[in-house]
Amino acid sequence: DTEVTQTPKHLVMGMTNKKSLKCEQHMGHRAMYWYKQKAKKPPELMFVYSYEKLSINESVPSRFSPECPNSSLLNLHLHALQPEDSALYLCASSQVDMISYNEQFFGPGTRLTVL
Amino acid sequence: KNEVEQSPQNLTAQEGEFITINCSYSVGISALHWLQQHPGGGIVSLFMLSSGKKKHGRLIATINIQEKHSSLHITASHPRDSAVYICAVRRTSGSRLTFGEGTQLTVNP
Repeated sequence: DTEVTQTPKHLVMGMTNKKSLKCEQHMGHRAMYWYKQKAKKPPELMFVYSYEKLSINESVPSRFSPECPNSSLLNLHLHALQPEDSALYLCASSQVDMISYNEQFFGPGTRLTVL
Repeated sequence: KNEVEQSPQNLTAQEGEFITINCSYSVGISALHWLQQHPGGGIVSLFMLSSGKKKHGRLIATINIQEKHSSLHITASHPRDSAVYICAVRRTSGSRLTFGEGTQLTVNP
């Protein structure tokens, strides 16, 4: 299994809602990533988890709260988002974060719209 | 100036043509990735290179470390190759990827 899965595919939420994005991989990878991608722009790194611990937070606002409950799962909890947070949210995984050669495998993304 | 520059930004080709997309970078790297993103979002990793050349089907990727340059070639292009192609580098000084702006490729039948 060389797949990273993400749910839901699409999400529409109001600014007062609380929702969660989910990401799963069964490749035994111990590094997992959240990226945000706006239209016609490259992905921007948000968070990196390494061995289920948060290793990088790219100064992301606290309305985004990541969680890594085990080595296969990565969640992104959303609360009080703004319309400018509407974007494609991509999850990725790799073998180990700090080994420089490792390939990242990306999921299909969740298209988020904040009304 | 971006640390990773791709050219061209947009490329339109006729089916069957040979296509080249270029990537130049200005930092020391341990690996360079070529990624493909179709409309709708999901990113597929095509190649990861640290030296030389790799081939997979109709796709060929080369890298010249001394010149800090990589190329992605597509032979016998097909409309299904239409996508955004992204070059990303992993710096020697860290673990994260730095992405280029992408090249939008459209292959017409």
